[in-house]
Amino acid sequence: GAVVSQHPSWVICKSGTSVKIECRSLDFQATTMFWYRQFPKQSLMLMATSNEGSKATYEQGVEKDKFLINHASLTLSTLTVTSAHPEDSSFYICSANPPRQGVLYEQYFGPGTRLTVT
Amino acid sequence: TQLLEQSPQFLSIQEGENLTVYCNSSSVFSSLQWYRQEPGEGPVLLVTVVTGGEVKKLKRLTFQFGDARKDSSLHITAAQPGDTGLYLCAGGPGNQFYFGTGTSLTVIP
Repeated sequence: GAVVSQHPSWVICKSGTSVKIECRSLDFQATTMFWYRQFPKQSLMLMATSNEGSKATYEQGVEKDKFLINHASLTLSTLTVTSAHPEDSSFYICSANPPRQGVLYEQYFGPGTRLTVT
Repeated sequence: TQLLEQSPQFLSIQEGENLTVYCNSSSVFSSLQWYRQEPGEGPVLLVTVVTGGEVKKLKRLTFQFGDARKDSSLHITAAQPGDTGLYLCAGGPGNQFYFGTGTSLTVIP
């Protein structure tokens, strides 16, 4: 159980275009999903918390107009990188919480999306 | 400001050796997780620790949560090449997660 998928697994786009990444919880409903960004050899950096039916909460320094997040259903959140530039090239990973069990907040991660902007 | 600091950042050891990775914070966590990530993939949950002083074992991996719930350690016994990867601790207020700085482990056959 607790499987999270992402699509696409990799994408190459031209500078100035927009790219949409999907994150789905396959066998559970997730009222909250999270988006992370990871550069090579570095840890994951939380970008935003995606809440079903409401606006996402962005971490400090993350441009909300550039990284658009939509959480339209309990199993799907999307991240759109608008007007992408080469510096946006990175590994983007989403995660979701299964229904809470006591004090545990375990997150399950998607396989990631490698974005390359040329 | 990094909420969770891990040490060492990089570690390269011979097969069969033991190692310990540390995860430290000035904050108290209700729970703390350890993940392992391979290149090009998402992190995979190894363990969750909840109680101060708790020790959990997963085959050759031993996880400990500090008494004050501010730090944790991961000890690997007799490391194998298959243990190679990025080890990450994570925790945070409520259900938000902040990851540690990461420890990149390479086990040489």
